Amino acid sequence: SQKIEQNSEALNIQEGKTATLTCNYTNYSPAYLQWYRQDPGRGPVFLLLIRENEKEKRKERLKVTFDTTLKQSLFHITASQPADSATYLCALDVGYGNKLVFGAGTILRVKS
Amino acid sequence: EAGVVQSPRYKIIEKKQPVAFWCNPISGHNTLYWYRQNLGQGPELLIRYENEEAVDDSQLPKDRFSAERLKGVDSTLKIQPAELGDSAVYLCASSLEETQYFGPGTRLLVL
Repeated sequence: SQKIEQNSEALNIQEGKTATLTCNYTNYSPAYLQWYRQDPGRGPVFLLLIRENEKEKRKERLKVTFDTTLKQSLFHITASQPADSATYLCALDVGYGNKLVFGAGTILRVKS
Repeated sequence: EAGVVQSPRYKIIEKKQPVAFWCNPISGHNTLYWYRQNLGQGPELLIRYENEEAVDDSQLPKDRFSAERLKGVDSTLKIQPAELGDSAVYLCASSLEETQYFGPGTRLLVL
């Protein structure tokens, strides 16, 4: 069956450290993968998109990797700050014109 | 530029009552999505519109849910009658290309 798995437990890290979040999937062949941030009581906000032919993408303190052989994406936040605390969702393109399937998300808590 | 607007933000109803949610997407965005998000889960697609046409409603429970997008702009999602299990956050999103822009959602509680 098709499945998207993100770290089920919350990730607690110290300010200044690098946070690494994982997104694994099975039985999908996405053309691209996206990461979104969601704060409590708000809708998800787009962060990064990485395509199947790209290994890595960066935006400021954010970095995403995409390994289609391992069927895994890693999302890194360097020099993390308390303001980075949120839920991070990965979303896979499943074709049919911009149809996304979302993982359950990982809660990140950055402590000062 | 204004983002995706949804109303109401919160709704509490008794089971078996009807409820409707409204969404105004970002101007110029042809694609509109309705998602349902349960606590601790990611958004799940209910229906997707390209302009006025519903191009993917495979996950919409059609016995009680209905949606429309008149004139290819605003959209309404309706539940009639509501059940206890419908309690969730209903998110609307719009897109021009791959990136989706979400509204704040409507939090529905069915008692």
